[in-house]
Amino acid sequence: GQNIDQPTEMTATEGAIVQINCTYQTSGFNGLFWYQQHAGEAPTFLSYNVLDGLEEKGRFSSFLSRSKGYSYLLLKELQMKDSASYLCAVVRRGSTLGRLYFGRGTQLTVWP
Amino acid sequence: NAGVMQNPRHLVRRRGQEARLRCSPMKGHSHVYWYRQLPEEGLKFMVYLQKENIIDESGMPKERFSAEFPKEGPSILRIQQVVRGDSAAYFCASSPPTQAGGSEQYFGPGTRLTVT
Repeated sequence: GQNIDQPTEMTATEGAIVQINCTYQTSGFNGLFWYQQHAGEAPTFLSYNVLDGLEEKGRFSSFLSRSKGYSYLLLKELQMKDSASYLCAVVRRGSTLGRLYFGRGTQLTVWP
Repeated sequence: NAGVMQNPRHLVRRRGQEARLRCSPMKGHSHVYWYRQLPEEGLKFMVYLQKENIIDESGMPKERFSAEFPKEGPSILRIQQVVRGDSAAYFCASSPPTQAGGSEQYFGPGTRLTVT
């Protein structure tokens, strides 16, 4: 099976920087996604990493190390609206190509 | 361009009844995925379909659950003889036809099923 681990909860203050880590153990790794999910709403796409390195997109950046089975999502200049659950998901090659394997999500609370 | 649409948004069923959940993918998308999210848990893959084809149903319980994506109309997830453990949020996602494993999946708003 796939083991995808991320912290259950994190808190930070408005304007700060927070890093949400995700580790995974899977065969046939083909890419890693980060999604944001507000309570009662659909997950929305944040980033997709296939190669090692950092991908920056505005206030959000995502990093991947394939050799270490590790990724992080970096959120800068936190805003209250960033309070949400952040989901790490991997996609594999082979017969299960297409399906996403999700971690349990990290609930981020941003305080004023 | 309308996003992924799901209906109903909320569905209440008594034990033993049938639940039908509908999903219309984004325009131009021919790949549909169904996921289930239990309270305090992550999204769990159930089934992956293309038009008139089930590609991967390994995440779907063998009994009582079925899914289809006909040539015309929405994808349907059907749960027969529902039990309380089926209470969950069911999300549908879609992706473009040429990038099954390497592109963003767009999620619908979900159907929250409550079994009483």
